[in-house]
Amino acid sequence: QQPVQSPQAVILREGEDAVINCSSSKALYSVHWYRQKHGEAPVFLMILLKGGEQKGHDKISASFNEKKQQSSLYLTASQLSYSGTYFCGTERASYDKVIFGPGTSLSVIP
Amino acid sequence: DTGVSQDPRHKITKRGQNVTFRCDPISEHNRLYWYRQTLGQGPEFLTYFQNEAQLEKSRLLSDRFSAERPKGSFSTLEIQRTEQGDSAMYLCASTDTGELFFGEGSRLTVL
Repeated sequence: QQPVQSPQAVILREGEDAVINCSSSKALYSVHWYRQKHGEAPVFLMILLKGGEQKGHDKISASFNEKKQQSSLYLTASQLSYSGTYFCGTERASYDKVIFGPGTSLSVIP
Repeated sequence: DTGVSQDPRHKITKRGQNVTFRCDPISEHNRLYWYRQTLGQGPEFLTYFQNEAQLEKSRLLSDRFSAERPKGSFSTLEIQRTEQGDSAMYLCASTDTGELFFGEGSRLTVL
């Protein structure tokens, strides 16, 4: 079952923060986050595993609440390069298929 | 290692024709996935392999779609009797640790 993402779209000015949410009605083993720029393939950002800690690199981090089957992606002090569509992908078990959400379009403007 | 490679990058075909796409994953990646993506949508799961074994095929996928990974290396995705609704970007991804590495995709246009 496809995860739900919110918001569908967000517009930010450089330096502002954003949060993108992903939720599932099913128990999850892991949540993936990817960014896709127009005309390009999705690029991996991070994976959060059940029982794992919040992850992050640079100004992008994420958390996974396994009790609520929810994950959030945090983008702080956004840069123009953060623009793109963000997808979460979920696995219900290790080595399971990854099912992607519908995406969140993020636009960072000067 | 040059990443995941897909061929052809673009394919235009007439309705009713068969098409085949090839995916060469990153070497030694044991899992390989096929997805379909249309404009404004997330990648839609089609099927995936662990080495040469096809583990699952989407129930939404008609019998016109078939995929193989004969020696656990490259994979092919064949669509028989194409329909206009098959027009999409077909993405291949591979992994050995969980994070998916995507190819640039094969764009199919059915006239």
